[in-house]
Amino acid sequence: QKEVEQNSGPLSVPEGAIASLNCTYSDRGSQSFFWYRQYSGKSPELIMFIYSNGDKEDGRFTAQLNKASQYVSLLIRDSQPSDSATYLCAVRAGNNRKLIWGLGTSLAVNP
Amino acid sequence: ETGVTQTPRHLVMGMTNKKSLKCEQHLGHNAMYWYKQSAKKPLELMFVYSLEERVENNSVPSRFSPECPNSSHLFLHLHTLQPEDSALYLCASSQANSFSGNTIYFGEGSWLTVV
Repeated sequence: QKEVEQNSGPLSVPEGAIASLNCTYSDRGSQSFFWYRQYSGKSPELIMFIYSNGDKEDGRFTAQLNKASQYVSLLIRDSQPSDSATYLCAVRAGNNRKLIWGLGTSLAVNP
Repeated sequence: ETGVTQTPRHLVMGMTNKKSLKCEQHLGHNAMYWYKQSAKKPLELMFVYSLEERVENNSVPSRFSPECPNSSHLFLHLHTLQPEDSALYLCASSQANSFSGNTIYFGEGSWLTVV
């Protein structure tokens, strides 16, 4: 079983819809969770991080964490073509532990 | 502008060449990283420096040699590379032991092609 698993996609949504990206992880001791966006040919950029169970909102983005079920998701409301990118999930067991990365989910937002 | 600057952005080198990748961070962080990103693989952590000391070396071949002269600068020296080393090399930095859990910030990457 992969340590951090994401559906590779591509996930295709129409402009204005909600895009839902999911990530599951195997280490029950994981404490911090990160979502990065990577445009083709560019480096990953941080979207948001979450530590506590529940939802965390930042603009059009909402991260949802469920430690009991070992998943973290990212919702993108009012999706725009500029949101088309690969979204990477990363998980850390503690403050000084290595980040474990998923392979990423490719998102395509169609005008 | 991410606050982490990498040069060169693109590099083509022969298998017998020696070259170096350079990274500079302007975020006041005290930890710096080298990652390798290849197609169809998760990001691979290569080296970590915290407070200028190497704290992690993930079984990286000796043809890759890191150097961290101070908390703002990081180099990756390359020597006798193989074609399979062609990849995107990402430098990153973070504030170790921060509340944000060591959130890392990436530079724009150096695309390396070994011919």
